[in-house]
Amino acid sequence: QQQVKQSPQSLIVQKGGIPIINCAYENTAFDYFPWYQQFPGKGPALLIAIRPDVSEKKEGRFTISFNKSAKQFSLHIMDSQPGDSATYFCAATSGGYQKVTFGTGTKLQVIP
Amino acid sequence: DAGITQSPRHKVTETGTPVTLRCHQTENHRYMYWYRQDPGHGLRLIHYSYGVKDTDKGEVSDGYSVSRSKTEDFLLTLESATSSQTSVYFCAISRGQGGTDTQYFGPGTRLTVL
Repeated sequence: QQQVKQSPQSLIVQKGGIPIINCAYENTAFDYFPWYQQFPGKGPALLIAIRPDVSEKKEGRFTISFNKSAKQFSLHIMDSQPGDSATYFCAATSGGYQKVTFGTGTKLQVIP
Repeated sequence: DAGITQSPRHKVTETGTPVTLRCHQTENHRYMYWYRQDPGHGLRLIHYSYGVKDTDKGEVSDGYSVSRSKTEDFLLTLESATSSQTSVYFCAISRGQGGTDTQYFGPGTRLTVL
């Protein structure tokens, strides 16, 4: 049972473009939404995270937008660079609960 | 990789043989996890541990067992490997400080079951 749905599965953008990755969830008990970035041959690493009481969070060129009523959240990468080429996973957890539910991942390729 | 090592990094084995993967951490984190990563499925939790000798099942635990006899080591055993267990296995750790806790991942083990 996939509790966090992620799209698209893959994405190709040109350098400088703004790739957008979308995620949706059903479980209203989720209250923390991290994004992980994974480069080939490496383990995932935390990129940015948001709580549902905030509608937007920015860290550098990465922005999370959160729509609590729609149970959707998305990652935007401003001024994308070839070095951003990686697989991105959205995820969700519930308070005090140590298990993380991951989306299926989006493979992003930024071409020069 | 946040003081996490996994061994072996690559393994090829035959159907029906037992396989043990090891995760070792130097961070003294309370929680340890085993995930498998497969195309189209993302990361799926196999088992996790919340302390020495304390473990629990994840969403895809059938055919796997785990043990944690020391804080720093978490072992994943495939009791009788099958081709469906061909995957990349990741170990992760976290401090166990609540729902905002970050998970730190190891470099992964690529397992092929022939």
